[in-house]
Amino acid sequence: KAGVTQTPRYLIKTRGQQVTLSCSPISGHRSVSWYQQTPGQGLQFLFEYFSETQRNKGNFPGRFSGRQFSNSRSEMNVSTLELGDSALYLCASSRVTSGGDTQYFGPGTRLTVL
Amino acid sequence: ILNVEQSPQSLHVQEGDSTNFTCSFPSSNFYALHWYRWETAKSPEALFVMTLNGDEKKKGRISATLNTKEGYSYLYIKGSQPEDSATYLCAFTTNTNAGKSTFGDGTTLTVKP
Repeated sequence: KAGVTQTPRYLIKTRGQQVTLSCSPISGHRSVSWYQQTPGQGLQFLFEYFSETQRNKGNFPGRFSGRQFSNSRSEMNVSTLELGDSALYLCASSRVTSGGDTQYFGPGTRLTVL
Repeated sequence: ILNVEQSPQSLHVQEGDSTNFTCSFPSSNFYALHWYRWETAKSPEALFVMTLNGDEKKKGRISATLNTKEGYSYLYIKGSQPEDSATYLCAFTTNTNAGKSTFGDGTTLTVKP
């Protein structure tokens, strides 16, 4: 069974630009969650999607948005990038909900904002 | 804002030592507690999902216990090996928001040969 994949793995952008990250969950998984990790910080929850609907949202500004497609693939978009957005972005998939099910993480996208 | 705390922040042990760390979480509205192992340059790997008070889970030399009434979970590693070196994360979810995981900052374990 193929694992969770994320593209691209590395990305360099400049302030003010926007970026889109992609996540393909494990086949059959319907829940996709996104997390941000910055140096010295733990994993911060961004949002969770299930059946193309955002089901939960963390405490991030509206510049962070996402969506999920009918095949459960998910994208995350960050607009008007700031230096502080430099981070590792991880997505994780689970069968139904990240709450009670095992979450499987992708390798992450390392975003650097210059 | 939910607070999940892990202690200690870091731990250095010798190969063969047994060790344990703690995850503390709010005791109200409990839904599930997850443990993950995160090795450098890899993705976090799920170890356990625990949902019932008194749960005990075991995977090889690693085991975990759960006390939802007092809001803590322990992770034990018996006979630590260098390959156990990693950051161990716990994540808590509530029954009011089961799809939102709140992570602790992790315990970084270094096992010296």
